[in-house]
Amino acid sequence: AQSVAQPEDQVNVAEGNPLTVKCTYSVSGNPYLFWYVQYPNRGLQFLLKYITGDNLVKGSYGFEAEFNKSQTSFHLKKPSALVSDSALYFCAVRPYMNYGGATNKLIFGTGTLLAVQP
Amino acid sequence: DGGITQSPKYLFRKEGQNVTLSCEQNLNHDAMYWYRQDPGQGLRLIYYSQIVNDFQKGDIAEGYSVSREKKESFPLTVTSAQKNPTAFYLCATAPLAGDADTQYFGPGTRLTVL
Repeated sequence: AQSVAQPEDQVNVAEGNPLTVKCTYSVSGNPYLFWYVQYPNRGLQFLLKYITGDNLVKGSYGFEAEFNKSQTSFHLKKPSALVSDSALYFCAVRPYMNYGGATNKLIFGTGTLLAVQP
Repeated sequence: DGGITQSPKYLFRKEGQNVTLSCEQNLNHDAMYWYRQDPGQGLRLIYYSQIVNDFQKGDIAEGYSVSREKKESFPLTVTSAQKNPTAFYLCATAPLAGDADTQYFGPGTRLTVL
């Protein structure tokens, strides 16, 4: 079965320290990978995506993510955390497009709550 | 959230009632999606539509219905057959060309069954 795992329900980090939110996936074919952020009672905001090319992807608000094919991972990182980064983060994967069938279906992880302490 | 509106923001339903959640977009996106979010479960796909007058079931379609009469609108009806409808509902859109890989989300509707 195709799936996405976010092994940590919560990540705690002090402001100014680097942060990492982990994501691993299991899909057939070449995955398209995404990170979204959700603030309380709001919709999801797109942060970044990996389609192809450079394994290090840079996104919004200083976030970046590294695609590692051998480890089937796509961890989200930021060099210096801010209190305002505190939110719920979702990793998502779109399996290889099934031509003639459904397109752009995303599989989401269960989310990781990031708490940045001042 | 810009370009995608969901209404109402909060909705209360009595057991046995059908309710309809609105999703409107002015992004000219072809594809629209409905997700349900429950604590600790991530997002689950209910229905999606790629073109007007066509839609497909997602992973948890039972107890829900949709229509796509206009490109801009994709309303979701939560019927009395949905046994546990209390959740946060998110609508998303995506183009089918260009930036076709990325889905953009509305602000959500929180439905509570009384």
